[in-house]
Amino acid sequence: DQQVKQNSPSLSVQEGRISILNCDYTNSMFDYFLWYKKYPAEGPTFLISISSIKDKNEDGRFTVFLNKSAKHLSLHIVPSQPGDSAVYFCAASARTGANNLFFGTGTRLTVIP
Amino acid sequence: DAGITQSPRHKVTETGTPVTLRCHQTENHRYMYWYRQDPGHGLRLIHYSYGVKDTDKGEVSDGYSVSRSKTEDFLLTLESATSSQTSVYFCAISENGGNYGYTFGSGTRLTVV
Repeated sequence: DQQVKQNSPSLSVQEGRISILNCDYTNSMFDYFLWYKKYPAEGPTFLISISSIKDKNEDGRFTVFLNKSAKHLSLHIVPSQPGDSAVYFCAASARTGANNLFFGTGTRLTVIP
Repeated sequence: DAGITQSPRHKVTETGTPVTLRCHQTENHRYMYWYRQDPGHGLRLIHYSYGVKDTDKGEVSDGYSVSRSKTEDFLLTLESATSSQTSVYFCAISENGGNYGYTFGSGTRLTVV
């Protein structure tokens, strides 16, 4: 049973516009959330994270928003650039138990020049 | 690339044969993980290790075993490869567990024919 879900397999955005990637989770014990970016033939690389004590975290063009009541988070990329074209994975972990990361199914972002 | 390497990068094997994938780190991180990536499933945890000789199962551990005899090496063995184990396998390392994020290797593409 997928505890972290990304319901949009793909997204296309024009260069310079905003990209919004969404993620939902079901486990209320999750308290830390991360976004990873993956290029073809490479491993995922860490992009940005947020703790459950916050509702927003910003790093340059990337902002992650967390809505705990809705069990929803989103990644905003502004402005989008062609180099942002990749697969984005949402991940979550809980401090209790093994503290492993659970990943979503990924969203393929294509930024059109 | 953050001191984590996977070998081999590509492998084709026959159904029923045993296969071992290797993950090697130079970061002295305590935690090591094996994930598989499949379309529509994202990244799923196979096994993980929280220290030398300390391992545990993940979400999709059936048909796989692991060993960690040294801090730097984490081996994944497919005891008798099946076509359903055709996938891309990623190793990851973490100093303190999921809340601190993972660093991934570049992956091993395994094809079982």
